Amino acid sequence: SQQGEEDPQALSIQEGENATMNCSYKTSINNLQWYRQNSGRGLVHLILIRSNEREKHSGRLRVTLDTSKKSSSLLITASRAADTASYFCATDAGAAGNKLTFGGGTRVLVKP
Amino acid sequence: ETGVTQSPTHLIKTRGQQVTLRCSSQSGHNTVSWYQQALGQGPQFIFQYYREEENGRGNFPPRFSGLQFPNYSSELNVNALELDDSALYLCASSLVGASTDTQYFGPGTRLTVL
Repeated sequence: SQQGEEDPQALSIQEGENATMNCSYKTSINNLQWYRQNSGRGLVHLILIRSNEREKHSGRLRVTLDTSKKSSSLLITASRAADTASYFCATDAGAAGNKLTFGGGTRVLVKP
Repeated sequence: ETGVTQSPTHLIKTRGQQVTLRCSSQSGHNTVSWYQQALGQGPQFIFQYYREEENGRGNFPPRFSGLQFPNYSSELNVNALELDDSALYLCASSLVGASTDTQYFGPGTRLTVL
């Protein structure tokens, strides 16, 4: 079963616009991670935010985490055609190892 | 490039057959996790191997089994293949005990069961 649910399931924007996608999860977590996947290939790690953090930035990416609402958001600013991909949130509930529980993903299309 | 490699890239099997997928982890990593990703869905955790022992398992039947070798590479074996086993199989390596919890994914093996 999948812990996270992404919203929206699909997003279509123009190049230069911002893209925002949300993730909700069900149980307590150690950290939450965002991944990108191009055309059914491997996952690329984008950013990790720990449960005691509220906001994190990496280049054009901004991630927020609200543990009281069990939700996270990923903002991609000034989007580019190369940002076209599926984006997944994944939660790590802690304990030994780091087993990730993924959401269903948001498919983002950036039109030139 | 993550340094994680998987083979083969694509595979076609028929129902009832057995398949072995392989993963070479990133240098220095001691943990390999396997995920199944059905078309249009997010990856689902199958199991994880840490220092050659299974270290957690998702909701998958026993016909999904694995191995981790002393060099930390890993195999995923699936017996008695079913049509629903058709998916992208991803492995990810990480270093348990390190300050970072990042997992590094390979490009995946696409399995088609006819």
